[in-house]
Amino acid sequence: NAGVTQTPKFRILKIGQSMTLQCTQDMNHNYMYWYRQDPGMGLKLIYYSVGAGITDKGEVPNGYNVSRSTTEDFPLRLELAAPSQTSVYFCASSWGGGGGYTFGSGTRLTVV
Amino acid sequence: EDQVTQSPEALRLQEGESSSLNCSYTVSGLRGLFWYRQDPGKGPEFLFTLYSAGEEKEKERLKATLTKKESFLHITAPKPEDSATYLCAVRTPLEAGGTSYGKLTFGQGTILTVHP
Repeated sequence: NAGVTQTPKFRILKIGQSMTLQCTQDMNHNYMYWYRQDPGMGLKLIYYSVGAGITDKGEVPNGYNVSRSTTEDFPLRLELAAPSQTSVYFCASSWGGGGGYTFGSGTRLTVV
Repeated sequence: EDQVTQSPEALRLQEGESSSLNCSYTVSGLRGLFWYRQDPGKGPEFLFTLYSAGEEKEKERLKATLTKKESFLHITAPKPEDSATYLCAVRTPLEAGGTSYGKLTFGQGTILTVHP
């Protein structure tokens, strides 16, 4: 049972480049989330999904896009990378009935 | 706006020296308070969920308690392997007045270092 798998683990982007952060979960969770973590700032919600085909914005959605075509996958797209998007990105999932989230191991992104 | 504040930002303890971490919150419609442990370079790992004032949960050397305004994570006789960042989060509805199980809003964390 892999839980939540994120790829890549590390990435360096140049300003203006695009990339997709991949997230897959094998627990049949209906809710999935993308957070970013900056030093001293805590985790901030970027986007979330309550099921396949349903997504919505969190606290800090600008510069990002998501899609949820299957229960398992929830990719995060950066279209025009900016230095402000340098951060550690975490994907998480949960069963809607409460309880804790299961987090992936994160993607460390640097935009130069 | 939901707010979660953790204190202290960093805490250094000697092995065996008990202490507490604080998480104070201001939210509407609390649907659970969560504690996570995060090791360097890893994602947060779930520890506890508390739902109502007066509730307590224990796991090994850790005990979490909840009041109407704050939660404490008590660490009894800590060991070096307890060193980590401890995150507090509150669960609130995704929409104001909504019935969904909601989203987590995190505090900034407390970095705990336990010296042998």
